[in-house]
Amino acid sequence: GNSVTQMEGPVTLSEEAFLTINCTYTATGYPSLFWYVQYPGEGLQLLLKATKADDKGSNKGFEATYRKETTSFHLEKGSVQVSDSAVYFCALKEGGGGADGLTFGKGTHLIIQP
Amino acid sequence: DSGVTQTPKHLITATGQRVTLRCSPRSGDLSVYWYQQSLDQGLQFLIHYYNGEERAKGNILERFSAQQFPDLHSELNLSSLELGDSALYFCASSPVLVNNYGYTFGSGTRLTVV
Repeated sequence: GNSVTQMEGPVTLSEEAFLTINCTYTATGYPSLFWYVQYPGEGLQLLLKATKADDKGSNKGFEATYRKETTSFHLEKGSVQVSDSAVYFCALKEGGGGADGLTFGKGTHLIIQP
Repeated sequence: DSGVTQTPKHLITATGQRVTLRCSPRSGDLSVYWYQQSLDQGLQFLIHYYNGEERAKGNILERFSAQQFPDLHSELNLSSLELGDSALYFCASSPVLVNNYGYTFGSGTRLTVV
C-alpha cells in the first residue's frame, strides 16, 4: 500500500535559519504530492503541491521538488520566521483516477525561536 | 475561514455512547472526505462521499458510518464509543470526484470519550 515517511520532530530552529523537512514515499503509479500545514487549533491548510516528476511546488517562501528517482518531496525554506511554527504534513494522492483520500505522514512539529 | 464548516468544535461523551459530527462543504463542492487525527495513528482517511454516494472507504471502523445529504452536507456517526476513539475528526471538501490538486479542510471536531 501507499505510505509516507517524514522526519519526526520537534524540529527547533532559530529565526532566519534554513529549513529542510525530509519526506519520502511509497506508492504505486504516479502519485500527486502535497505539503499541508496545521497551525495550533486550526485545520490543515494546503501549503504546496506537485503533480508529476520534477515539478517544483512553491508558496510563501517554501519549496519542494517531486523527485521520482529518490521517491522524495523534501520541504525547504531559506529563512524561517517565528510565524512558521506549526506542524507540517507530507501527503500523497494515488494516481490513476481513484477516489481514495490522501495518505499522510505522521507530521513534523516545527518550532522557530526568535 | 476555509469555507468548510464543522460542528460541533468540541464534544465530550461517555464510552458506549453515539455521536454525530457534521460537515458543510465549501459552496459548490460535491466531494466530502472524513479523516481522523489521533496521537498514535496520525491522520487517517476514513471515507469519501461524492454527490450523495459513497465513493471510497479507508480505515473506517464498522462502528462508524457516514452519509451525505441532498444539500451536500455530511454527517459522520460514531457509535459504541471507546476511549480510543478520542481524536480530532476533520472533513475536507473538493469540487470534483477525483482531485489530484488538494482539498480544503475544516477546522475539525475534537471528540473526547471519557
